[in-house]
Amino acid sequence: QKEVEQDPGPLSVPEGAIVSLNCTYSNSAFQYFMWYRQYSRKGPELLMYTYSSGNKEDGRFTAQVDKSSKYISLFIRDSQPSDSATYLCAMSAPPGNQFYFGTGTSLTVIP
Amino acid sequence: ETGVTQSPTHLIKTRGQQVTLRCSSQSGHNTVSWYQQALGQGPQFIFQYYREEENGRGNFPPRFSGLQFPNYSSELNVNALELDDSALYLCASSAGTGRSYNSPLHFGNGTRLTVT
Repeated sequence: QKEVEQDPGPLSVPEGAIVSLNCTYSNSAFQYFMWYRQYSRKGPELLMYTYSSGNKEDGRFTAQVDKSSKYISLFIRDSQPSDSATYLCAMSAPPGNQFYFGTGTSLTVIP
Repeated sequence: ETGVTQSPTHLIKTRGQQVTLRCSSQSGHNTVSWYQQALGQGPQFIFQYYREEENGRGNFPPRFSGLQFPNYSSELNVNALELDDSALYLCASSAGTGRSYNSPLHFGNGTRLTVT
């Protein structure tokens, strides 16, 4: 079983839709959770990071963590064609320095 | 603020050869990590360097080695290249103290290595 599971999609939505991206994990020691966006032929770009269970909002993006269910989500409101990319979840646990990534979900927002 | 830069952007090598990839960390960051991203997969941790020493290693064989320099730049060396080494190699920097599980990684755009 992989440490982090992520549905690869692809996911296709119309412009303006709310997008929900999800990851599950097996290691209860994970305490630090991140979301990255990766455009084609580019490196991953950090979108959000959070430590705790609950919601964290930044503009059109909301990161949600449910440690009891070992489940994290990223919501994108009012999705734009420029949001079309692959979204990677990542997580880590103390005292280590390794980040564990999901396989990524490919998102296309159709104008 | 200067971001993470990697060179070269693309590289084609033959099986059995050796390759060196280079990375300059983001200003203010003292820790460099290297990740391998195969097509359609998430990045996999190779190793991390802090204070010019290896500070953690993933499940990669010893033919993957690295260096960090006093200016925090870094190199990834791969010997005896195999076909399965074909991937995007990502360098990431972070501001850490050696236990950097809670310091977000900032990635470069990677080096695309093709082994034929």
